[in-house]
Amino acid sequence: SAVISQKPSRDICQRGTSLTIQCQVDSQVTMMFWYRQQPGQSLTLIATANQGSEATYESGFVIDKFPISRPNLTFSTLTVSNMSPEDSSIYLCSVALQMNTEAFFGQGTRLTVV
Amino acid sequence: AQSVTQLGSHVSVSEGALVLLRCNYSSSVPPYLFWYVQYPNQGLQLLLKYTTGATLVKGINGFEAEFKKSETSFHLTKPSAHMSDAAEYFCAVTEGGYNKLIFGAGTRLAVHP
Repeated sequence: SAVISQKPSRDICQRGTSLTIQCQVDSQVTMMFWYRQQPGQSLTLIATANQGSEATYESGFVIDKFPISRPNLTFSTLTVSNMSPEDSSIYLCSVALQMNTEAFFGQGTRLTVV
Repeated sequence: AQSVTQLGSHVSVSEGALVLLRCNYSSSVPPYLFWYVQYPNQGLQLLLKYTTGATLVKGINGFEAEFKKSETSFHLTKPSAHMSDAAEYFCAVTEGGYNKLIFGAGTRLAVHP
């Protein structure tokens, strides 16, 4: 298994500002993923962040809005840029240790934009 | 593209009653299927998974699920509900072997005395 720590656990931000969310894993992993869970909704994949390559974004998500860094095999950041109230969600980091195996999730970052 | 449908956004059962949460999937390739649970203000925890082999899969906390290819279903069951089972449950399928999870809309399980 993998233990994932996310920081911050929650934040309240002003519209127009940016927030960077950190994800730290207790082991080296190739595949990391960022998901968004809007209030009362299911999870939607934002992007896949593999070390050594550019993040791959899903339809509806763009790098300018959600820049991602993956400097090494245990760490990644997701930035939510120029925030609006519509960005209020839970953002979750996820990792997979092998192909086609289960994903492990962090506790999530609960973001409220006012 | 793969998709997941969870029938019933809310399910309510009595403590000690059978829990049945429904999940149907669509996939053009053999799927890898998962059930996750999310307790309030927490991340997701894996309950169980189906990859290959035995179609009846047992997970944590007394839950199990059966993969039925002919019905494209992966329903989650537990013989006797406990108050601590109250949570949101998500069914998910991987897409294309790259561990990108496609989630269902979720089912909120309520357990009453």
